Amino acid sequence: DQQVKQNSPSLSVQEGRISILNCDYTNSMFDYFLWYKKYPAEGPTFLISISSIKDKNEDGRFTVFLNKSAKHLSLHIVPSQPGDSAVYFCAASQYNNNDMRFGAGTRLTVKP
Amino acid sequence: DAGVTQSPTHLIKTRGQQVTLRCSPISGHKSVSWYQQVLGQGPQFIFQYYEKEERGRGNFPDRFSARQFPNYSSELNVNALLLGDSALYLCASSSQRATGTSLQETQYFGPGTRLLVL
Repeated sequence: DQQVKQNSPSLSVQEGRISILNCDYTNSMFDYFLWYKKYPAEGPTFLISISSIKDKNEDGRFTVFLNKSAKHLSLHIVPSQPGDSAVYFCAASQYNNNDMRFGAGTRLTVKP
Repeated sequence: DAGVTQSPTHLIKTRGQQVTLRCSPISGHKSVSWYQQVLGQGPQFIFQYYEKEERGRGNFPDRFSARQFPNYSSELNVNALLLGDSALYLCASSSQRATGTSLQETQYFGPGTRLLVL
């Protein structure tokens, strides 16, 4: 059962523009959400997270938005840079559950 | 500071064999989790260990087992390997396990061990 879904396998944007990566979840018990970035031959790198008590969290060029009623979160990267090109994974978990669920990932390509 | 380290980086085994993968967490981290990532999918949770005890287990068969040592390093063992076990095995560490009263701890991943079963 895929409780976390990233429906866009790939996204291509121009350098300097905004990248928006989307993620949907089905389990209403999830209350902590994370985005990881993965380069080839490396493990996922933590990018940003958000608790369900918030609807927005910002860290530099990266902002995560959470819409609990729609069970949807998104990652905004502004401005996008070629070094942002990677696979981005959305993940979700519950406070008292050690099982972190991942989406299938979105491959972002930022063109110079 | 060193991040999460895993060994070996690559491994080739044949069906029916057994494999042991190793992980050293970030210094000071007491929790280690194991994930399996097959091509085209996100990581899938296998186990979490905290203070040498199993604290969580994903939907994997009993052929998969793990343990954590007093220095918080961990081993993942897979017996009777199947072709479908070919994947990237990721280890992640965090400073504590999630509880109902504390903020979720972010997990930090190692580079993974790529296992190919022929």
